[in-house]
Amino acid sequence: QKEVEQDPGPLSVPEGAIVSLNCTYSNSAFQYFMWYRQYSRKGPELLMYTYSSGNKEDGRFTAQVDKSSKYISLFIRDSQPSDSATYLCAMSGLSGTYKYIFGTGTRLKVLA
Amino acid sequence: EPEVTQTPSHQVTQMGQEVILRCVPISNHLYFYWYRQILGQKVEFLVSFYNNEISEKSEIFDDQFSVERPDGSNFTLKIRSTKLEDSAMYFCASSEGQGGNYGYTFGSGTRLTVV
Repeated sequence: QKEVEQDPGPLSVPEGAIVSLNCTYSNSAFQYFMWYRQYSRKGPELLMYTYSSGNKEDGRFTAQVDKSSKYISLFIRDSQPSDSATYLCAMSGLSGTYKYIFGTGTRLKVLA
Repeated sequence: EPEVTQTPSHQVTQMGQEVILRCVPISNHLYFYWYRQILGQKVEFLVSFYNNEISEKSEIFDDQFSVERPDGSNFTLKIRSTKLEDSAMYFCASSEGQGGNYGYTFGSGTRLTVV
């Protein structure tokens, strides 16, 4: 089983839709969960991070962590064409290491 | 907004040649990283650097790789003898602290093509 799994997409939605992006992971020891957005030919840009379980909201974005199911989600409300990008989940917090483990990314296209 | 700057944006090199990828991290950040992304694959950790020494490295980061902070602003990744499989996007990142509650700021990357 892969350490972090993410549906690669592509995911196409109409403008204004609610988007749900998800990652599953195998190691229950992860403590920090991040979502990055990556535009074409650019570096990843941090959107949100969450510590342990729970929800976190920032504007149109909501991050959810369910540690019991080893499942994290990013919801985008009122999606815009400018949200079209690849969304990467990343995790860290394993004992003895600070490195991030990334998912493969989900490509999102929001159609005007 | 402060940013991490990487140069060059694209480098083409012949197999066996040495390359140096350059990065200018955010000035008040203390931790520096290199990650890479082979086309179609996930972003992978290479190395982290703090207080002028490597703090952690992955199994990818073998003797062919080295990092250096030659002055107060630059952070470099050297690949001594490039192989075809080193072709990838290389991302530099920096952070104020270490741990998941300190999000990395990534640069735009250097696309390395080994021919």
